[in-house]
Amino acid sequence: EAQVTQNPRYLITVTGKKLTVTCSQNMNHEYMSWYRQDPGLGLRQIYYSMNVEVTDKGDVPEGYKVSRKEKRNFPLILESPSPNQTSLYFCASSYIGRTRETQYFGPGTRLLVL
Amino acid sequence: QQPVQSPQAVILREGEDAVINCSSSKALYSVHWYRQKHGEAPVFLMILLKGGEQKGHEKISASFNEKKQQSSLYLTASQLSYSGTYFCGTSQSNFGNEKLTFGTGTRLTIIP
Repeated sequence: EAQVTQNPRYLITVTGKKLTVTCSQNMNHEYMSWYRQDPGLGLRQIYYSMNVEVTDKGDVPEGYKVSRKEKRNFPLILESPSPNQTSLYFCASSYIGRTRETQYFGPGTRLLVL
Repeated sequence: QQPVQSPQAVILREGEDAVINCSSSKALYSVHWYRQKHGEAPVFLMILLKGGEQKGHEKISASFNEKKQQSSLYLTASQLSYSGTYFCGTSQSNFGNEKLTFGTGTRLTIIP
C-alpha cells in the first residue's frame, strides 16, 4: 500500500530535549516536505527536499533541521524544542515535474513541548 | 505570503452549493486544493495550472483566473461527506522551487 508514515504519532517532551520525528514514504517520490499546522494559521511549510541531499527552507524553518540521506526518509529534528513548537506536524511527499503531482500526507505527529 | 481564503467558515444544508475562494497577491503557476477532515491528514482534491483551466472531480470543480491570481472551488449539491476544512496551496514556480504556501483554510459544515 502506497503511504507516508510518521513516528511517533504523539509526543510529549520538555523544553530543550532534542527529538526527531521520522517520516518515510514507499512511493519512490523525489519530493518530501514538512508542515506544521496551528489553529487559525493553516499549514505552514518548514522544510522541503527535492531529492537526496537537496533540502531548502520553507516559510517557518527556525528551530528545525532536516536531512535527506535516503530517498525514502526525511526526518525532522528539533535540536532544542521550545513551547512555541507545540503543534501538529505533517510530512508529505510527491513526484516532481511540470504538472506538480499531488502531495500525499502522512497521518500527522502531535507534539507538546512543556 | 499566505494566500487569502474566503469565507473562513460556512454552514450549508445538504444539497446546497458552496464556493470557496483563494486569492494571492503574487503571480501564480499553480493552485492546489485539499480537504482535511477533523483529526485526519489533508487529502488532495485537484491541481490547477497557469492557463486559466477548470477542473472537475465528481461534484467538486475549480477554476483558476490567472489575471486575478484567484482560484475558486465549487461544491455542487453538497453532501454530508463534504464537511471539513478546505485549503488552497499556491506555487509560483513550475519547476525547481517546490515551495507550496497554504491558506488558512475554510471550514465547511454540512447539516442534514
